[in-house]
Amino acid sequence: NAGVTQTPKFQVLKTGQSMTLQCAQDMNHNSMYWYRQDPGMGLRLIYYSASEGTTDKGEVPNGYNVSRLNKREFSLRLESAAPSQTSVYFCASSGSWTANYGYTFGSGTRLTVV
Amino acid sequence: QKEVEQNSGPLSVPEGAIASLNCTYSDRVSQSFFWYRQYSGKSPELIMSIYSNGDKEDGRFTAQLNKASQYVSLLIRDSQPSDSATYLCAVNPPMGNAGNNRKLIWGLGTSLAVNP
Repeated sequence: NAGVTQTPKFQVLKTGQSMTLQCAQDMNHNSMYWYRQDPGMGLRLIYYSASEGTTDKGEVPNGYNVSRLNKREFSLRLESAAPSQTSVYFCASSGSWTANYGYTFGSGTRLTVV
Repeated sequence: QKEVEQNSGPLSVPEGAIASLNCTYSDRVSQSFFWYRQYSGKSPELIMSIYSNGDKEDGRFTAQLNKASQYVSLLIRDSQPSDSATYLCAVNPPMGNAGNNRKLIWGLGTSLAVNP
């Protein structure tokens, strides 16, 4: 049972390049989330999807777009990468529509924008 | 005031001691509470959840919740060097406007070092 799978694990981009971070879960969870984690800033929510077909902005959505492709997959796209987007990105999922049972996290993507 | 507050540490305890980690939250009617452990360079891992006042024990871990005082704590008994990590507290706010209960509110974490 893989849980939450994120790809890639590491990526280096040049300023202005675009890329898509992929996330898939095999737990039949309804809700999925994208976070970034920076030293001293904690986990900050970028976007989330409470159910298939819906997406909502989190605390720091600027510069990002998301797609909930189906119940399993939730991708995060950086259209024009900036050095400020250098971070560790985590995808998470929750079996409860209300996050009442906590999240399961993927292993993360370490992104560097130069 | 931050919604979920934790002492950043580092908290240093000797091997075999009890480590006590604390978290306070601002919304009195929050519903559910979680402790995550995050090793350096790894993703957060859920170790305890608690929903009712009182204590909940799971092996060497005990979560304590006091809704009247708005705090939740995590006790680690017989601490081991392998417990050295950052511990994140997360709170699920009550149902309200804009689906707030769909998103956990996170503390910044407490760094724990267990010394052999």
